[in-house]
Amino acid sequence: AQKITQTQPGMFVQEKEAVTLDCTYDTSDQSYGLFWYKQPSSGEMIFLIYQGSYDEQNATEGRYSLNFQKARKSANLVISASQLGDSAMYFCAMSAYNNNDMRFGAGTRLTVKP
Amino acid sequence: DGGITQSPKYLFRKEGQNVTLSCEQNLNHDAMYWYRQDPGQGLRLIYYSQIVNDFQKGDIAEGYSVSREKKESFPLTVTSAQKNPTAFYLCASSIGKGFAYEQYFGPGTRLTVT
Repeated sequence: AQKITQTQPGMFVQEKEAVTLDCTYDTSDQSYGLFWYKQPSSGEMIFLIYQGSYDEQNATEGRYSLNFQKARKSANLVISASQLGDSAMYFCAMSAYNNNDMRFGAGTRLTVKP
Repeated sequence: DGGITQSPKYLFRKEGQNVTLSCEQNLNHDAMYWYRQDPGQGLRLIYYSQIVNDFQKGDIAEGYSVSREKKESFPLTVTSAQKNPTAFYLCASSIGKGFAYEQYFGPGTRLTVT
């Protein structure tokens, strides 16, 4: 069975600094995808970044990068140069080849301080 | 603009009544999903559909029903059999169903049953 763990219920970061949100996963599949979503207070889930299990390079999308360590089964999200608008809930999710359901972690609430 | 619409944003019902939440997408996506989110938690899959006239149960399908008569539409009915229906409901779609496809989400419907 797949499992996603986010151990940080809440995180604080100063504006313009970088922050890392942790995510570990568990799966027996060799083929899988890892996703990060942002959920502002409005409730909508916004797709941020994707990393495939066979991708050798860490994924990057603008200020977002995914620190993928396959052997440790971790897929941490790094947000550089934090902005006030980054304050939101962040969810790590995984979908695996033999179990196509997307599984979500419990989320991390990020607060950016001015 | 392409996207997913869910209506209404807020919905109130009396206990014992069935209620249908709408979800429409104009992204030409094949796969559609329904998730439930409770306060402070991640998303849990209720139902998904890979193709018209076909759908599969997720982890928490009991007390819910769906239909997929058109590619664009995937309505969710919360029946009176659902013991704790008050929650935030999110609809999503993806190009296909597989571990490499990100899901795009609608704005959600917040259902309150009293």
